[in-house]
Amino acid sequence: NSKVIQTPRYLVKGQGQKAKMRCIPEKGHPVVFWYQQNKNNEFKFLINFQNQEVLQQIDMTEKRFSAECPSNSPCSLEIQSSEAGDSALYLCASSLTGLGDAEQFFGPGTRLTVL
Amino acid sequence: AQKVTQTQTSISVMEKTTVTMDCVYETQDSSYFLFWYKQTASGEIVFLIRQDSYKKENATVGHYSLNFQKPKSSIGLIITATQIEDSAVYFCAMREDSAGNKLTFGIGTRVLVRP
Repeated sequence: NSKVIQTPRYLVKGQGQKAKMRCIPEKGHPVVFWYQQNKNNEFKFLINFQNQEVLQQIDMTEKRFSAECPSNSPCSLEIQSSEAGDSALYLCASSLTGLGDAEQFFGPGTRLTVL
Repeated sequence: AQKVTQTQTSISVMEKTTVTMDCVYETQDSSYFLFWYKQTASGEIVFLIRQDSYKKENATVGHYSLNFQKPKSSIGLIITATQIEDSAVYFCAMREDSAGNKLTFGIGTRVLVRP
């Protein structure tokens, strides 16, 4: 079973509303990733952190997406103004290192539906 | 162009038989890592097995094994002695040094194991 905790499991928002989801990585894993999986099973990498620092992120156009991994608090991903196209499964993953051979372990995801 | 391609949309097999699924990838890196994950009906994504590009031996973990054909940029997954609970969507993913820590996924192959 996944040791990465994501809350909430389901999130329903209206267009224009904020949507915030949280992730607690597996204990001892300092590297955290966010991916978006759409209904066609396409994965899109969003951002990743090592401890509190951003390592890599996509060009989050319109700046609607923001993410952080504060010390001693869950990581979070927030969509400032949800759009219908944001409806997807948002997956958090963690790994022991940032090295290429380190497996990423996934949480159960937050399924966002934007009405 | 897709960097990780899984051409088989779905495969159906009888329990206790062997299933093979294909994945081809595209990279300019000399060092890269290839992963297989499965996503169960509940949405949980589970890491299965990894192949490092510099290793000639095919990786094997339990009843999962890989058919790594580097000249063809191919990494097939083989599941022997399939069980009903192997029914899932299987994703091939690649991690390139030049692309940082993120995984690039294929769109998955749905496997149904029939009793």
